[in-house]
Amino acid sequence: QQQVKQSPQSLIVQKGGISIINCAYENTAFDYFPWYQQFPGKGPALLIAIRPDVSEKKEGRFTISFNKSAKQFSLHIMDSQPGDSATYFCAASKNTGNQFYFGTGTSLTVIP
Amino acid sequence: KAGVTQTPRYLIKTRGQQVTLSCSPISGHRSVSWYQQTPGQGLQFLFEYFSETQRNKGNFPGRFSGRQFSNSRSEMNVSTLELGDSALYLCASSLDPGGISPLHFGNGTRLTVT
Repeated sequence: QQQVKQSPQSLIVQKGGISIINCAYENTAFDYFPWYQQFPGKGPALLIAIRPDVSEKKEGRFTISFNKSAKQFSLHIMDSQPGDSATYFCAASKNTGNQFYFGTGTSLTVIP
Repeated sequence: KAGVTQTPRYLIKTRGQQVTLSCSPISGHRSVSWYQQTPGQGLQFLFEYFSETQRNKGNFPGRFSGRQFSNSRSEMNVSTLELGDSALYLCASSLDPGGISPLHFGNGTRLTVT
């Protein structure tokens, strides 16, 4: 079954708005939660990542919020730009190896 | 520093054939993982290699295999191709195999099985 559930499947945001993508997981052994951005024809690229001992991490316009008790984490993109239009994947892994479980992806479109 | 390089970029094969995909990791990265990406299933883990040893394997049939060489380069092989094997195959390298270092992906090999 899907170990990491991601929503929404697609998202349309106005330029300058906030994009929010949510993920939920069940396995409490997960120890590392990255977000990846993928453009057409390219492989996913790491955007930002968080460990479960931290509730929030911010890098530029990108913020991860992490709720350990609810087993949920989300990506917030502030001041969304047309160049942010891409597919975003959340993921999770245990500290036993590089087997990552990915969400199903969110296609973000930022309209000018 | 050069990124992860995958060759070839595109492949068209016929059902029943076999195929070999190649991956060169970022210099200094010794962990290499392979993922299959399809519109229906998303990104699915195939296997991971570290120091020429397979450390983890995903839920794929034995037709999918891989190996890693002493220079950390990796290959994956799919035998007796099926139509459902059509996908983007992504290789990712990482500094260490502990699951808490970021994966650096290549741009993938697009395999089409006819």
